[in-house]
Amino acid sequence: GQNIDQPTEMTATEGAIVQINCTYQTSGFNGLFWYQQHAGEAPTFLSYNVLDGLEEKGRFSSFLSRSKGYSYLLLKELQMKDSASYLCAVMDSNYQLIWGAGTKLIIKP
Amino acid sequence: GAVVSQHPSRVICKSGTSVKIECRSLDFQATTMFWYRQFPKQSLMLMATSNEGSKATYEQGVEKDKFLINHASLTLSTLTVTSAHPEDSSFYICSVRTPGDTGELFFGEGSRLTVL
Repeated sequence: GQNIDQPTEMTATEGAIVQINCTYQTSGFNGLFWYQQHAGEAPTFLSYNVLDGLEEKGRFSSFLSRSKGYSYLLLKELQMKDSASYLCAVMDSNYQLIWGAGTKLIIKP
Repeated sequence: GAVVSQHPSRVICKSGTSVKIECRSLDFQATTMFWYRQFPKQSLMLMATSNEGSKATYEQGVEKDKFLINHASLTLSTLTVTSAHPEDSSFYICSVRTPGDTGELFFGEGSRLTVL
């Protein structure tokens, strides 16, 4: 079956760095997405990886290893507004998105 | 600016009534739109894929007669929850994918449905 795994919850300190991991097993692979979702709101796009390596976008970076079925989202210089759920999603061979359950990130002062 | 507009953002209705939620693609024509449901503290669950000019494709376990989808134009898809019950209370979100196989998904603001 298809499966996306990511931690349920993580806690980090304002100003610090946090890495949110995502492992996947899907029927085919056409890219991996990271979305941010604040409570009660719709998700917003953060990043897209289809080739191995690191994609950097400001304070956020996303890494992909296709051979390992692994990705991580790296958040630097954490701010209180970064408190949210972070969703990992993989596009399978049918171009359907398979969603992880999300990681709730709690930022403490 | 917003790419996808969803309305209403919140709706409260009585059990047994029907509720319609609209999803509009503002920036481009969308032959395909997606409808998701999200229960509290859970991930997005794809309900159906809305196809312009044809029938929607429903995911397993989603009742097509209960969740009516109409995609009459390239910029508008509607989801009607018929004969709503309290267990249908949820956050409903539509999304549109930019053209191309690896297009980015843009989400509507979501509609929070509460059935009393």
